[in-house]
Amino acid sequence: DVKVTQSSRYLVKRTGEKVFLECVQDMDHENMFWYRQDPGLGLRLIYFSYDVKMKEKGDIPEGYSVSREKKERFSLILESASTNQTSMYLCASSLGQGGEKLFFGSGTQLSVL
Amino acid sequence: QQQVKQSPQSLIVQKGGISIINCAYENTAFDYFPWYQQFPGKGPALLIAIRPDVSEKKEGRFTISFNKSAKQFSLHIMDSQPGDSATYFCAAIYYSGGYQKVTFGIGTKLQVIP
Repeated sequence: DVKVTQSSRYLVKRTGEKVFLECVQDMDHENMFWYRQDPGLGLRLIYFSYDVKMKEKGDIPEGYSVSREKKERFSLILESASTNQTSMYLCASSLGQGGEKLFFGSGTQLSVL
Repeated sequence: QQQVKQSPQSLIVQKGGISIINCAYENTAFDYFPWYQQFPGKGPALLIAIRPDVSEKKEGRFTISFNKSAKQFSLHIMDSQPGDSATYFCAAIYYSGGYQKVTFGIGTKLQVIP
């Protein structure tokens, strides 16, 4: 079974801190995604990557950046955390072209105080 | 701007009843339409999916109906069970330049009561 592992289940940070959310997948998938999930807003795409060192902005990239130095690892970075970034963050991965099925991690609930 | 509009946001259904969740899209470049199911404390998991050249797909008690001309698709859960209580997301995928972009609806929280 594909496993997508997010490094933390719960995280509490202070306003202005730099925050790193880590995601690792074990199935050699080309595509990786970061979403945030908020009540009433669903899953919104922050960034995605279709290859090592490649990244594309999603629908809400402001305030975030990403890094993909290795195929299995995709990091989401909050350069200066703000309270409006308090949310559930979900990482997902999928095969390349033709691999439509997304495999999600269990999520990181981030609280910014 | 929401590319995939999903309704209702919440749904309560009696055990044994039919649950219906609707989604609509605008971008005709979308060419794959999955539904994901999410239980509390878990990430979403693929439930069922359809391509736009098919009008219906059935897997057990779950059916997707697809209307290409209306740009709408829906999930029907027959004989709904309390174990189906979860949040359901519709999604749409398009491919561009070698990558895939996946856009989700806002989700429907389904509660099936005994």
